Amino acid sequence: DTAVSQTPKYLVTQMGNDKSIKCEQNLGHDTMYWYKQDSKKFLKIMFSYNNKELIINETVPNRFSPKSPDKAHLNLHINSLELGDSAVYFCASSQEVGNTIYFGEGSWLTVV
Amino acid sequence: GQNIDQPTEMTATEGAIVQINCTYQTSGFNGLFWYQQHAGEAPTFLSYNVLDGLEEKGRFSSFLSRSKGYSYLLLKELQMKDSASYLCAVRAPAWAYNTDKLIFGTGTRLQVFP
Repeated sequence: DTAVSQTPKYLVTQMGNDKSIKCEQNLGHDTMYWYKQDSKKFLKIMFSYNNKELIINETVPNRFSPKSPDKAHLNLHINSLELGDSAVYFCASSQEVGNTIYFGEGSWLTVV
Repeated sequence: GQNIDQPTEMTATEGAIVQINCTYQTSGFNGLFWYQQHAGEAPTFLSYNVLDGLEEKGRFSSFLSRSKGYSYLLLKELQMKDSASYLCAVRAPAWAYNTDKLIFGTGTRLQVFP
């Protein structure tokens, strides 16, 4: 059983499109995250939710909107995609805020 | 402010020992994590240090000195499969950053040669 699963794994889309990445965790964790890893492999937090409540929003453009329908799911919607959005997006979860983070397999987004 | 530094790349030979250093300057400190990330895969948890000293876990050990803002990951008896990126991450406290969070370094890409 996959602990943190995200879909799609690969996504190629045109500039200006809107796309979503879904994430689910079956670990019973309270906290979920979205991280972005750029071409230089720098892993940076974007958002964090604790029990469906947004607790971290790291100056991410408004085009990125996370949604947590329940504490096992955290989806990421991106409007008006730009070339610079091309990256790997990792969903993750932890038992509590600041605890060991478990990552999903990543979603490779390419904007052309 | 926050700053976490690691060497960008390292190389080593199969069977050898390698030490990957991480220095950090953050507003507060609640522990340090090491993650391993193989190319094209997700980071996976290796170790967590919150007190000074050495934590050993099989071929991997992690050391922390809070007074020096320094940690290292020691890999012994290197195997080809250890070729990966190793990410250092500091757990920053809520009082400094509104909430506890992990701040990642840029990672060290280790290549192991036969």
